[in-house]
Order: sequence, then C-alpha cells, then structure tokens
Amino acid sequence: EPEVTQTPSHQVTQMGQEVILRCVPISNHLYFYWYRQILGQKVEFLVSFYNNEISEKSEIFDDQFSVERPDGSNFTLKIRSTKLEDSAMYFCASSEVRTPARYSPLHFGNGTRLTVT
Amino acid sequence: GDSVTQMEGPVTLSEEAFLTINCTYTATGYPSLFWYVQYPGEGLQLLLKATKADDKGSNKGFEATYRKETTSFHLEKGSVQVSDSAVYFCALGGYSTLTFGKGTMLLVSP
Repeated sequence: EPEVTQTPSHQVTQMGQEVILRCVPISNHLYFYWYRQILGQKVEFLVSFYNNEISEKSEIFDDQFSVERPDGSNFTLKIRSTKLEDSAMYFCASSEVRTPARYSPLHFGNGTRLTVT
Repeated sequence: GDSVTQMEGPVTLSEEAFLTINCTYTATGYPSLFWYVQYPGEGLQLLLKATKADDKGSNKGFEATYRKETTSFHLEKGSVQVSDSAVYFCALGGYSTLTFGKGTMLLVSP
C-alpha cells in the first residue's frame, strides 16, 4: 500500500538555526498537510497546501514557517529560526480530495521528531 | 471553534478485557468523526470513521457510534489483545482539516 514518507525521523538543532523537514506524499494525492504534536499535547493543524499554494493555515503557522513543493514529489516544511517551543513531532499528511473528512481520509507519515536545544 | 476531548490515559488492561475510550466533541455543522491509531514508532493510521449521526464505524474488532444527541464517539472493543497497545486519537473532520484530541495510550498486558 502506498505510504507517506518523512525524513529525517529525528532532527536535533540549535535554537536560531533553520531546519527543513521533508515529506514525500502519496503520488496521486493533491492535498498536503503539516500537523505537529508537542509532547503530551494535542495533534495540531499547521497548514494545508494545494495547487502550489497554501489553502489554509493555523495561528501557529507564523512567518517563521514556510512550505514548498520544490518538485513533483517532495513537500517540505521550513522553520527559519527555530525556538525551543518548536520542539515537537511533525507529521506530514496527504489526501486525494479536499474534504478528507467525508470522502478520503488523511494518510499520515511516521513523523519527524524535532528537538531544539 | 471545533474541539475534541478524550479520556486521559494510560488505560491499562489485561488481554481479553473490554475496552472503552471516551470521546466527546464540540463542532459547528455536521462533521465526520474518526479514530486514528499510532503504534510505537509509526505514523497515525485511520482505524475507523463515521460520517453522519447514528453511523457505526468498525474495523479490526473496534467499533464507535456517532451519537449526535450526546456529541460522543466512544471507541469500544470486546476483547483486547497485546498487539492493540498503541495511542488512540479521536478526531473531528471539518471541511478541510482534522481536529484531534490529545490521544489515549492503551497498554495491554498478557
């Protein structure tokens, strides 16, 4: 079964450094998402992406964050200047349709654990 | 806004015990409801879903019924196995995004 793959599985970085988290969504999916989970807290929506632009973003997704689909297969999340509170598990997801709630579920990757020291 | 509340974990059970994990929600409109499961070292996997009131989602022996009157979607399984040990997330599906609960860890011992 096709799956969403994320790299790296664990990233350690120093505060103030830039990080790029990488994701390869399922090949025929058109909608892409980033979610994150701070340890012990809820899984939170960050951003959704379709047709090479952001379609929706949460309050968490401020100017420090950006997303990009640099080629036909990768989907990246960049954090420009990491803060301690950015430490979390970051999940990439993809979906065939924009209303995943009703027609097609989100398919999640295994996540990247980001640790900011 | 939309929100999901799940019972706190961990839930610790012996093999073959009955499982209930409570989930309630607050939403506008008519959302779909989901249970996702995360096994150790893996991503979130869809376990089951229900798209309208009174629908029952089921998979791998797990069941949950969409109860609009009580705004609930409790997860149940009649007889758990050690391999069911995982974190279970209740989620609410709006137009384009999912709203998750905090997750409930289930630990099943032989």
